[in-house]
Amino acid sequence: SQQGEEDPQALSIQEGENATMNCSYKTSINNLQWYRQNSGRGLVHLILIRSNEREKHSGRLRVTLDTSKKSSSLLITASRAADTASYFCATDARGTASKLTFGTGTRLQVTL
Amino acid sequence: ETGVTQSPTHLIKTRGQQVTLRCSSQSGHNTVSWYQQALGQGPQFIFQYYREEENGRGNFPPRFSGLQFPNYSSELNVNALELDDSALYLCASSLGGSGGKNIQYFGAGTRLSVL
Repeated sequence: SQQGEEDPQALSIQEGENATMNCSYKTSINNLQWYRQNSGRGLVHLILIRSNEREKHSGRLRVTLDTSKKSSSLLITASRAADTASYFCATDARGTASKLTFGTGTRLQVTL
Repeated sequence: ETGVTQSPTHLIKTRGQQVTLRCSSQSGHNTVSWYQQALGQGPQFIFQYYREEENGRGNFPPRFSGLQFPNYSSELNVNALELDDSALYLCASSLGGSGGKNIQYFGAGTRLSVL
């Protein structure tokens, strides 16, 4: 079963705009990661935030984590057409032998 | 490029047949995880192998089995294929015991179609 949900399921924006995706999860976690997937191919790790961190930045990416609400958000600033992909959050839950549990994903479309 | 390779890229089987999917992990990684991704869904954890031993299993029946070899490459075997097994199968390698980071590096996947 999926750990949680991403919101929105689909997002369409124009190049240069910011894109925000949200993720909710259900159990206590060690960390939360965001991955990107192009056209049903393999996933690429983007960023990891530990359970004791609240915000993290990497280039144009900003991730926040609220463990009290069991939620995270991914912000992509100044989006580009090449950012068009599906984005998944994945949680590494405590006591689960390092398995990752993925959400349902947000499909981002960035148009010129 | 993640350095994780999967073969074959695509596969078509009929119901009841058996299939073996293969994965070569990134150099230096000792852990391989397998995921099933149905169309429009997130990946679902099947199982993980760490140093040739199964190290966790998701909610999949016993007809899904695996192996990890001394060079840390891995196989996923599925017996008695069902139509619902049609999916993208993803392999991911990682370095076990890496201080809890568990960052996984994915291959491009094998697209399995069961007719």
